[in-house]
Amino acid sequence: SQKIEQNSEALNIQEGKTATLTCNYTNYSPAYLQWYRQDPGRGPVFLLLIRENEKEKRKERLKVTFDTTLKQSLFHITASQPADSATYLCALVGGNNRLAFGKGNQVVVIP
Amino acid sequence: DGGITQSPKYLFRKEGQNVTLSCEQNLNHDAMYWYRQDPGQGLRLIYYSQIVNDFQKGDIAEGYSVSREKKESFPLTVTSAQKNPTAFYLCASSILSPGTRGNYGYTFGSGTRLTVV
Repeated sequence: SQKIEQNSEALNIQEGKTATLTCNYTNYSPAYLQWYRQDPGRGPVFLLLIRENEKEKRKERLKVTFDTTLKQSLFHITASQPADSATYLCALVGGNNRLAFGKGNQVVVIP
Repeated sequence: DGGITQSPKYLFRKEGQNVTLSCEQNLNHDAMYWYRQDPGQGLRLIYYSQIVNDFQKGDIAEGYSVSREKKESFPLTVTSAQKNPTAFYLCASSILSPGTRGNYGYTFGSGTRLTVV
C-alpha cells in the first residue's frame, strides 16, 4: 500500500540550531513533492516544491532535498527561531495527480 | 487580497441533521478540494473538482456531498449518513497540475471545526 511517513514525535530544538525533518514514502513515484506549514487551528500554508529532477531547493532559511532512490525528502530550517514552531507537512503527487499528505511533524523551538 | 474563505469557523450539528460548510475563493483557481483532518491523522481527501459542474470522490466521500455551480464556490454538505462527522474540515484551491507549471501549491482556507452535539 502507499504510505507517506513523517516522525510522529515532536522535534524540540534550541533556538539558532538547524531543525531537520524527514519524509519517507513507499509505492509512490512522485513527479514532485511539497512541504507545508500548519499552525494550530489553521489551514496549511505552502512553503516549497521540489521536482524529481531537482536535488535541492532553498527559500530563505528553508532547504529541501529530494532523493528518489532513497524515496525520501529532508526539510531543514536553519537558524531556527521560536516563530518557526509549527507542524510541517510533507505532500506528494500520486499517480492520479492528486496530492497525498503525511501526518506532519511538530517542531518546537526553545528560546 | 486574494484568498480562500471558509465559513463558519465553528459549527455544531445535532444527530440526524445535514449541515453545509461554505468555501469561496477569489484566486481564479480551477481546482478546489475538501479535506478532513482528525487529531493524529493526515489530511484525507473527501471530494475535489477541476471544473465547474464536475467533481470526483476522494478517499472518504461516503456521507458527504458537494456542488460546483460556480468557479468560486465549492460547498460541502455533511449528511446524516456520515457517522463520525466531528472533525476539522479544510477547503483548498489550486491551479490545475500545480507542480508542473512552476512553484505552486495549494491555498488552504482557515478551516471549519464541526462538532456533533
